[in-house]
Amino acid sequence: AQSVSQHNHHVILSEAASLELGCNYSYGGTVNLFWYVQYPGQHLQLLLKYFSGDPLVKGIKGFEAEFIKSKFSFNLRKPSVQWSDTAEYFCAGDSGGYQKVTFGTGTKLQVIP
Amino acid sequence: DAGITQSPRHKVTETGTPVTLRCHQTENHRYMYWYRQDPGHGLRLIHYSYGVKDTDKGEVSDGYSVSRSKTEDFLLTLESATSSQTSVYFCAIGGTGVNYGYTFGSGTRLTVV
Repeated sequence: AQSVSQHNHHVILSEAASLELGCNYSYGGTVNLFWYVQYPGQHLQLLLKYFSGDPLVKGIKGFEAEFIKSKFSFNLRKPSVQWSDTAEYFCAGDSGGYQKVTFGTGTKLQVIP
Repeated sequence: DAGITQSPRHKVTETGTPVTLRCHQTENHRYMYWYRQDPGHGLRLIHYSYGVKDTDKGEVSDGYSVSRSKTEDFLLTLESATSSQTSVYFCAIGGTGVNYGYTFGSGTRLTVV
């Protein structure tokens, strides 16, 4: 079955530290990958997406992700986190068609001032 | 986000009663989805729609039904609410082309007592 997995459930960083959140997928063939962010008490918002082309994708708020096909990975990175990045981050993927997206279980990021 | 609204935002209901949640969009998108969010499970797809009167089941559809009689409205019904359906429910609309990806509503927090 198609799936997306996130192995880090809870990450705590100090402000200005670098961030990398792991995401692995199990889709065969064409895959579209996404990272969403959910700030406390809010709905999910799209950070960035990958469809094809350049494997390094840049999103909003200074986030980027790299698609590595050989590793089935799509890790999210940010060089220097801020307290306002405290949120839950969800990796997601689909194989096209009707856009049925499968979500990972999420990673809670806590940034300490 | 503007363009997609959910109602109600909060609801408390008793076990065994039917409940209907509403999702309304003004974007004229073909694809609409209902997800539930639970700690440790991320988001799980309940039902989705790819057009008026065209719906299909997701991975956790038991106990839920949906209807879409107009492009703009997608209703989720809990036929006989149970405590296991206590959750936060998110509606999403799926864009196409350069807007590919989900836009989420603000969610409905449902408590079944």
